Amino acid sequence: GENVEQHPSTLSVQEGDSAVIKCTYSDSASNYFPWYKQELGKRPQLIIDIRSNVGEKKDQRIAVTLNKTAKHFSLHITETQPEDSAVYFCAARVNAGKSTFGDGTTLTVKP
Amino acid sequence: DARVTQTPRHKVTEMGQEVTMRCQPILGHNTVFWYRQTMMQGLELLAYFRNRAPLDDSGMPKDRFSAEMPDATLATLKIQPSEPRDSAVYFCASGLGTGNYEQYFGPGTRLTVT
Repeated sequence: GENVEQHPSTLSVQEGDSAVIKCTYSDSASNYFPWYKQELGKRPQLIIDIRSNVGEKKDQRIAVTLNKTAKHFSLHITETQPEDSAVYFCAARVNAGKSTFGDGTTLTVKP
Repeated sequence: DARVTQTPRHKVTEMGQEVTMRCQPILGHNTVFWYRQTMMQGLELLAYFRNRAPLDDSGMPKDRFSAEMPDATLATLKIQPSEPRDSAVYFCASGLGTGNYEQYFGPGTRLTVT
């Protein structure tokens, strides 16, 4: 089955700096890669996603890049703000089927 | 603003008791997922359904867990008998299944088994 590895497990940045979280996956059939943000005690919420026919996608301060050959994808957050502090999960999926999640990255943005 | 709903939000029970968790997917969504989240194991898929039919329940301990969709508006996850190691947050998520791949999570049921 699919295996997703996520790094780093914790990340601390100063407000205004950039944050990068990386994930690798093992199943070449995976073609959909969402990223979720989960605040303490809340549900995971989709913040951005990318399909395998696209190399990069941006939404304001958030971007995701995908390298299908190397089987890795990354989340980039620019101009970080304290409200970006949360746990971020990557996932890999084949179409609309089951997701395999990474173990999560706890991002702390220090004011 | 359509959302996935889950009940109960919190459940404390004693070991050996039956636990039933319910999920109402977003109207029109035909794919429903059950996940378990713990500090040690992260987010694990337990089971998922499409058009009410179970597609994969390989992540679920079959001897004590069961998942069903009695109708398109209700999914249930049962644990019988419950054990302390079942303590976790159980999330339900729903999606459209085709074309749009997004999954929308419910608020979760926090289960504590003593």
